[in-house]
Amino acid sequence: AQSVTQPDIHITVSEGASLELRCNYSYGATPYLFWYVQSPGQGLQLLLKYFSGDTLVQGIKGFEAEFKRSQSSFNLRKPSVHWSDAAEYFCAVAPTDSWGKLQFGSGTQVVVTP
Amino acid sequence: NAGVTQTPKFRVLKTGQSMTLLCAQDMNHEYMYWYRQDPGMGLRLIHYSVGEGTTAKGEVPDGYNVSRLKKQNFLLGLESAAPSQTSVYFCASKRGQGGEQYFGPGTRLTVT
Repeated sequence: AQSVTQPDIHITVSEGASLELRCNYSYGATPYLFWYVQSPGQGLQLLLKYFSGDTLVQGIKGFEAEFKRSQSSFNLRKPSVHWSDAAEYFCAVAPTDSWGKLQFGSGTQVVVTP
Repeated sequence: NAGVTQTPKFRVLKTGQSMTLLCAQDMNHEYMYWYRQDPGMGLRLIHYSVGEGTTAKGEVPDGYNVSRLKKQNFLLGLESAAPSQTSVYFCASKRGQGGEQYFGPGTRLTVT
């Protein structure tokens, strides 16, 4: 069955430290890959996406993600976290032939401490 | 551009009542989606539409109906609300088969 897994439910990180959020997927063929961020009480905002090409993708707010086909992973990273990065982060995938139906992971809550 | 808007923002229903959630987009997007978000489960697709006059079932369609009479609007209906439908509902739209989905701010629905 197709699935998207975010193994970390909750991560606490100090302001200024680096952050890495994990995402693994199980699909027959490489899907489109996305990371979204949701601040408390808000909708979802797209951080970055991967369709094809360069496996290191740059996004907004200083985030980047690396697609690794051999590991079926699309991990999100930020070198130095700011307090405003406290939010919930969702990995999502969409099969390339599925009319863009996104399948979301269960999310990772990021807490930033001073 | 307002982007994707949702009405209402909050609603409390009693079991068995009905209601309609409205999603509107001003980006001339073809595709529109309704999701529900529950703690620890991410977002799950309820119904979607690939164009005016079309609708299709997503992952969790039971208990919901939708209509897309106008390209810019996508309505989600609950005919007889149940406590299991307590959730946050998000609408999204997309230009075409590729590209990203743009999300509305959500509607928080509580069914007592």
